[in-house]
Amino acid sequence: GIQVEQSPPDLILQEGANSTLRCNFSDSVNNLQWFHQNPWGQLINLFYIPSGTKQNGRLSATTVATERYSLLYISSSQTTDSGVYFCAGRYNNNDMRFGAGTRLTVKP
Amino acid sequence: DAMVIQNPRYQVTQFGKPVTLSCSQTLNHNVMYWYQQKSSQAPKLLFHYYDKDFNNEADTPDNFQSRRPNTSFCFLDIRSPGLGDAAMYLCATSSRQGIGYTFGSGTRLTVV
Repeated sequence: GIQVEQSPPDLILQEGANSTLRCNFSDSVNNLQWFHQNPWGQLINLFYIPSGTKQNGRLSATTVATERYSLLYISSSQTTDSGVYFCAGRYNNNDMRFGAGTRLTVKP
Repeated sequence: DAMVIQNPRYQVTQFGKPVTLSCSQTLNHNVMYWYQQKSSQAPKLLFHYYDKDFNNEADTPDNFQSRRPNTSFCFLDIRSPGLGDAAMYLCATSSRQGIGYTFGSGTRLTVV
């Protein structure tokens, strides 16, 4: 089955710093998405990005489908960015598989 | 606002006592999913409904069942909860193409 690997597993930043999170996936996906899980457990869909680049405020994401990776950029990080960032790939119809996540801590 | 609603937010059940978790949506999405998430782990897909078609993950225990009586509602039934079933249970919805993936706030299940 599909394997979704994320790096780094943990990341600690000072407020205002920039960061790049990476997601590698082992097989073809037709639906790559990024999610943020806040400290209270709510999962929010950040990007639906099967290919190309998208930006939403301080966040942007790029997926290079031919090379099977996706990147999430966080600029000028804020303490509210803390939480776990998951990428997930849809491998077979509606079978969404999540990576292990990157736990981000932004310190004031 | 269109959303995915899970009830209850917290559920405590006794070992072996059947429990049902509920999920409703106002997004009119075709697909509804149930995930199990244990502490510090990624969400794990248990099963999903593509409209009325039920799709079970191969490693989902038989102890877990699901019902989708209509487009808006989906239920997760745990027939005989064990201590290992304590987790956060997340409901999600999406379009047929997997677009608009939206999670509910989850139900945290404790088994005593």
